[in-house]
Amino acid sequence: GAGVSQSPSNKVTEKGKDVELRCDPISGHTALYWYRQSLGQGLEFLIYFQGNSAPDKSGLPSDRFSAERTGGSVSTLTIQRTQQEDSAVYLCASSSLAGAIGEQFFGPGTRLTVL
Amino acid sequence: QKEVEQNSGPLSVPEGAIASLNCTYSDRGSQSFFWYRQYSGKSPELIMFIYSNGDKEDGRFTAQLNKASQYVSLLIRDSQPSDSATYLCAFAYKLIFGSGTRLLVRP
Repeated sequence: GAGVSQSPSNKVTEKGKDVELRCDPISGHTALYWYRQSLGQGLEFLIYFQGNSAPDKSGLPSDRFSAERTGGSVSTLTIQRTQQEDSAVYLCASSSLAGAIGEQFFGPGTRLTVL
Repeated sequence: QKEVEQNSGPLSVPEGAIASLNCTYSDRGSQSFFWYRQYSGKSPELIMFIYSNGDKEDGRFTAQLNKASQYVSLLIRDSQPSDSATYLCAFAYKLIFGSGTRLLVRP
């Protein structure tokens, strides 16, 4: 079916506001990942969901960041009380295989700008 | 020490030449290694993955892995201007990415 989709494609918000970013993985993919990429930088792992297992949250930079995945499909990344340093492109990826070998397919990303 | 080290470049090669991109990593337990290509303003796309020592070839691309030296490389033969992009290496399941090497292929 269709690839990974993310919404919104762009989000401009004011410092201190909360934002929600959405990811629709490829149908049937059990693994879902969130990354962020700051301007001119590499990708930074945020969180990983695999099936019904507890998510790996080891990459979340602070407790202002949280994510959930409902029904093993759609995921929402929430950033509370946004700060200017949160400005980045947030990328979601999904994979059909757990563990190290599964190829991850990336969505187009959400560009977040915090004023 | 960063977990993944890449030369940021840009690496400039003439059209038709071999481009060699290198990456070192710090986690000796890493089992799987990936090369992603990212065009400006676009999302990364997987080019190659490798998990055994040695070479793996796919078309114009060859990935090389040396676990003893903690070194992985990507060779692009017959480089084309369309290969101009940033190449990211990564390892493990929660992909730990290098910062990428920008490749410029001159026509």
